[in-house]
Amino acid sequence: EPEVTQTPSHQVTQMGQEVILRCVPISNHLYFYWYRQILGQKVEFLVSFYNNEISEKSEIFDDQFSVERPDGSNFTLKIRSTKLEDSAMYFCASIKDREIAEAFFGQGTRLTVV
Amino acid sequence: AQKVTQAQTEISVVEKEDVTLDCVYETRDTTYYLFWYKQPPSGELVFLIRRNSFDEQNEISGRYSWNFQKSTSSFNFTITASQVVDSAVYFCALREPNSGYALNFGKGTSLLVTP
Repeated sequence: EPEVTQTPSHQVTQMGQEVILRCVPISNHLYFYWYRQILGQKVEFLVSFYNNEISEKSEIFDDQFSVERPDGSNFTLKIRSTKLEDSAMYFCASIKDREIAEAFFGQGTRLTVV
Repeated sequence: AQKVTQAQTEISVVEKEDVTLDCVYETRDTTYYLFWYKQPPSGELVFLIRRNSFDEQNEISGRYSWNFQKSTSSFNFTITASQVVDSAVYFCALREPNSGYALNFGKGTSLLVTP
């Protein structure tokens, strides 16, 4: 069964460093998302991406964040200068089309900023 | 404002008991989607069910059942004859076309099933 894959599974980085989280969505999906879950809290929407551009973003997705689909398969989330409060689980998700609506999630990347 | 409310933070039951997880949502859209996801201790998000706003039929899948009631804006989830493997955090989520189709999650209900 096709699945969304995320790498790495765990990333530890020093405060102020840049990190790139990688995702490979399901190949025939068109809509891509990043969500964040701070430990013990709910899953929060960060950004959605369609047709090579951001279609919507939340208040959390400020200037330190960026997303890119550099080729036909990868979908990346870059955090430019990490802060301690960026420590969280980051989930990538993809949807085939809006009518089908079911979002398939990757297994997540746990980011720890020290 | 909280769009999805899961009032039960933690529930603990003994194996074989039935348990219902509550979810109340708020939306002005006439078309929307409701979801339940399971997050086991390993951390991944596992899709359980999607329900469209225009389909109020209740659904049963094995030991799982869902009760969707538009009149009370609720989408409750019942596990019958619970098992230890059901221990997880369960999230209810709302997806609205006017909000870019992003999922708006509730805070989750942590379910512990003990032998």
